[in-house]
Amino acid sequence: EVQLVESGGGLVQPGRSLRLSCAASGFTFDDYAMHWVRQAPGKGLEWVAGIGRNSDYIGYADSVKGRFTISRDNAKNSLYLQMNSLRSEDTALYYCAKVVWFGALDYWGQGTPVTVSP
Amino acid sequence: EIVLTQSPGTLSLSPGERATLSCRASQSISDSYLAWYQHKPGQAPRLLIYGASRRVTGIPDRFSGSGSGTDFTLAISRLEPEDFAVYYCQYYGSSPRELTFGGGTKVEIK
Repeated sequence: EVQLVESGGGLVQPGRSLRLSCAASGFTFDDYAMHWVRQAPGKGLEWVAGIGRNSDYIGYADSVKGRFTISRDNAKNSLYLQMNSLRSEDTALYYCAKVVWFGALDYWGQGTPVTVSP
Repeated sequence: EIVLTQSPGTLSLSPGERATLSCRASQSISDSYLAWYQHKPGQAPRLLIYGASRRVTGIPDRFSGSGSGTDFTLAISRLEPEDFAVYYCQYYGSSPRELTFGGGTKVEIK
């Protein structure tokens, strides 16, 4: 059974940092690209960042470029999101998700909440 | 940059009725890269359709996707109580490699 379990969310002050993790199991992790997607309270889904199977490509939404860093450790079946210089607008539920076909995301975690507030 | 516009924002229908959701791209896109998701409160989004019209294994056949170019549609032939949710379309760009979501359509019980 495919499982994606996010962790690392919490309450953080503006300007501070947070590192999210996503533990993957039930599939061959290094065969698939992975993405982070977030949903702010009362808003829709927003893509945050994506990474290729072997970190061969990395992409970011303009809203997080230069502040967030996506990475993966295939030996540990884990995906990460380092979030620096956090802003109130980064407050959201953060999901990690696995790519199945041409960028479609077939498995998602349950999300980890991030709240940026003084 | 591709922008996906979903309409209507909210669709009020009764169980048993047909739902037709629209997703319009700001420029022509390959249908291979267009997906649809169902999202319910407190749950992870669920992939329904990929490649514009390919239904994911296990998704009921009342869900169907169609379209090409700039106009794509998700249809739900007969709404079941569990189908009331928010639906998103999503595009995967190849250059640059980034995902774009539409703003979503909420299908609510009338």
